[in-house]
Amino acid sequence: GDSVTQMEGPVTLSEEAFLTINCTYTATGYPSLFWYVQYPGEGLQLLLKATKADDKGSNKGFEATYRKETTSFHLEKGSVQVSDSAVYFCALLNTGFQKLVFGTGTRLLVSP
Amino acid sequence: DAGITQSPRHKVTETGTPVTLRCHQTENHRYMYWYRQDPGHGLRLIHYSYGVKDTDKGEVSDGYSVSRSKTEDFLLTLESATSSQTSVYFCAISEKGSTDTQYFGPGTRLTVL
Repeated sequence: GDSVTQMEGPVTLSEEAFLTINCTYTATGYPSLFWYVQYPGEGLQLLLKATKADDKGSNKGFEATYRKETTSFHLEKGSVQVSDSAVYFCALLNTGFQKLVFGTGTRLLVSP
Repeated sequence: DAGITQSPRHKVTETGTPVTLRCHQTENHRYMYWYRQDPGHGLRLIHYSYGVKDTDKGEVSDGYSVSRSKTEDFLLTLESATSSQTSVYFCAISEKGSTDTQYFGPGTRLTVL
């Protein structure tokens, strides 16, 4: 079945550092790919999405490119802030299915 | 932000008691979902609805039932709560289903003693 693998956390960075959180997936067909962010005590917020190969999703300085050849959707940000500290989830949604398939989440801790 | 509320936000109950969680949306979206979040598992789909009175099972549906009598409300019932159902429960909505974006509510933290 479909699955999503994310890098284990926590990822600990200093403010203004470059961020990469790796995400790879296994799926039949042509799924849509998503990054969600969860701040402490809150629900999941959509961060960005991409619906087809080579699409780049971007929002709030975060970017991810849908790479079908490497089945990856890595999240990047050029300069993180303390306020980016949260748990980040990679997920896929496949055509004809209703369930989002989530990775286990990666906690990001940014220190001043 | 999508207009999704969940109630209650926190609940503590005892093993064997029935529990109902409510999800309410103001977006008039057709599709609604219930997920549970557990450490090491991400989120997993319990049940979903594709219209009033139309529901289907997700991957972890045992011990749960759902009902949708109005577009805006989707209820999740634990028929006889067990400690393994201690979790954080999230409701989500989607306008078109399939690969359309799902938007999440704030969650309900349920503890079964």
